Amino acid sequence: NAGVTQTPKFQVLKTGQSMTLQCAQDMNHEYMSWYRQDPGMGLRLIHYSVGAGITDQGEVPNGYNVSRSTTEDFPLRLLSAAPSQTSVYFCASSRPGQGSYEQYFGPGTRLTVT
Amino acid sequence: QQPVQSPQAVILREGEDAVINCSSSKALYSVHWYRQKHGEAPVFLMILLKGGEQKGHEKISASFNEKKQQSSLYLTASQLSYSGTYFCGTHGSGSARQLTFGSGTQLTVLP
Repeated sequence: NAGVTQTPKFQVLKTGQSMTLQCAQDMNHEYMSWYRQDPGMGLRLIHYSVGAGITDQGEVPNGYNVSRSTTEDFPLRLLSAAPSQTSVYFCASSRPGQGSYEQYFGPGTRLTVT
Repeated sequence: QQPVQSPQAVILREGEDAVINCSSSKALYSVHWYRQKHGEAPVFLMILLKGGEQKGHEKISASFNEKKQQSSLYLTASQLSYSGTYFCGTHGSGSARQLTFGSGTQLTVLP
C-alpha cells in the first residue's frame, strides 16, 4: 500500500493564481482531512470529508474549496492564492469513528505564495 | 477550541525522562498523540479513549483523566530518536468528526 500520497511536494504561486493540491489514499478510508501547518504552530483543519460526496468546513476554510467524488481522492483547491496561504499542507485519512482511529498523514505539500 | 500543551519545549539528555501535558476546556471522547520530525509528516503514537481503552505503540505510555479533560505523554529513558515535536489532538464528546490539535511540544534529546 502507498498509504496517503500528495502532489506536488513543492509549489510556488503568484498572488491571485489558482491551483489544486492532490491527495489520494489506497486504504479505503472514509474519513479524509486537509490541514495547514504554519511555522511553530500546530495543525489547523481546513476541510474534511466523512465519505464520498460529503464535505464540511474546518477551522480555517476561507480561500479553499474541496470535493470528494471518490473514496480515494480528496483534492484541495486554492481559488485565488494569497501570501497568507504560504504554509505546509497535509492531507490525512482514517477509518470512520468518533476519534477512535489513528490518522495517516501524507508527506505534505510546501506552498509558497509570492 | 485548541487544546493547550505544556511545556512548549524541553531539552533532555539521553536516558532522562519527560512528561508532556495536554489539556482541554471541553469534554473529550479521545486524545491522540503524534510525533513530527523536522520536514516530515506527523506519525501516530497513541490514542486514549474515554472509558480507558488505549491503542498505540508498546514503548509509549500515556494517561487520560476524563474528569479533568487532561492527558499526559510519558517518555522514559529517552533516546536520540525521540527528538521531534509532539502534538496532542483532541476529539470532543459532542463533535463526531473533528480532531483539534495543540500547538506542539518541541523535544530535543542530546547525547
